[in-house]
Amino acid sequence: NAGVTQTPKFQVLKTGQSMTLQCAQDMNHEYMSWYRQDPGMGLRLIHYSVGAGITDQGEVPNGYNVSRSTTEDFPLRLLSAAPSQTSVYFCASSYSGLRSLEYYGYTFGSGTRLTVV
Amino acid sequence: QQQVKQSPQSLIVQKGGISIINCAYENTAFDYFPWYQQFPGKGPALLIAIRPDVSEKKEGRFTISFNKSAKQFSLHIMDSQPGDSATYFCAASMVTGNTPLVFGKGTRLSVIA
Repeated sequence: NAGVTQTPKFQVLKTGQSMTLQCAQDMNHEYMSWYRQDPGMGLRLIHYSVGAGITDQGEVPNGYNVSRSTTEDFPLRLLSAAPSQTSVYFCASSYSGLRSLEYYGYTFGSGTRLTVV
Repeated sequence: QQQVKQSPQSLIVQKGGISIINCAYENTAFDYFPWYQQFPGKGPALLIAIRPDVSEKKEGRFTISFNKSAKQFSLHIMDSQPGDSATYFCAASMVTGNTPLVFGKGTRLSVIA
C-alpha cells in the first residue's frame, strides 16, 4: 500500500517552460487536491477534485491546470512556468464523509520541490 | 481573506512543558477541524481532529479544545518532547458541503531540553 505518490521529487524549470507534476493514490479515495507551500504562507489550495471527471479551483489556481480522468491519478500542469511558482507542491487524497475524515484525514504525498529560474 | 488564522508563528517550549497553539475561523458552516504535524522534508500528517459538537478531544498528550461561540480552537501538547519539534497546521472545512481543507499559516514548534 503505497499511499500518495508524487513525482518528481525535485525539478528545475526555466521561465516559460511547461511541465506536469504527477500524483497517484492507491487507497480508492474520492477526494484529491493540490496545495503549494511557501514560507510563512501555510498550505494554499490550488485545485481539487471530489471524484473522477470533477475538478474545481482553489485559492490560487492561476497558471495551473488539472484533470481527473481516473480515481487514482490527479496530475497538475504548469502551463508556462514563472519564478512566482517556485514552491513545494503537495498532493493529498482522502475519503469523503465526516467520520472517515475525523479518523483518517488527508493523506499527503512527500512533495515536489519546484524551482523556476 | 484568510479563513483560518493561526498563532503564534513560532513557539519555543522547554521539555516537559505545555505547548499551546491557537486558531480562529470565520465561517460558521465549517464542521471539521483537524490539526496536522509536519516534519522537515515530509508531507503533513493528521495529528488529531474534532467536530463542532464536541468541546474537547484528547489523544495521548495531544488535546484539541473547541469553543464554538468564540469560533476558536486550540491544540495543547502536554509534556512536550524534543521529538514534537515540527510545524503544526490547523485547518477547517465544510465536509457536508464537500469543500476542501483550508489551512492556517502554521506554527513552528521547537522543544528544547
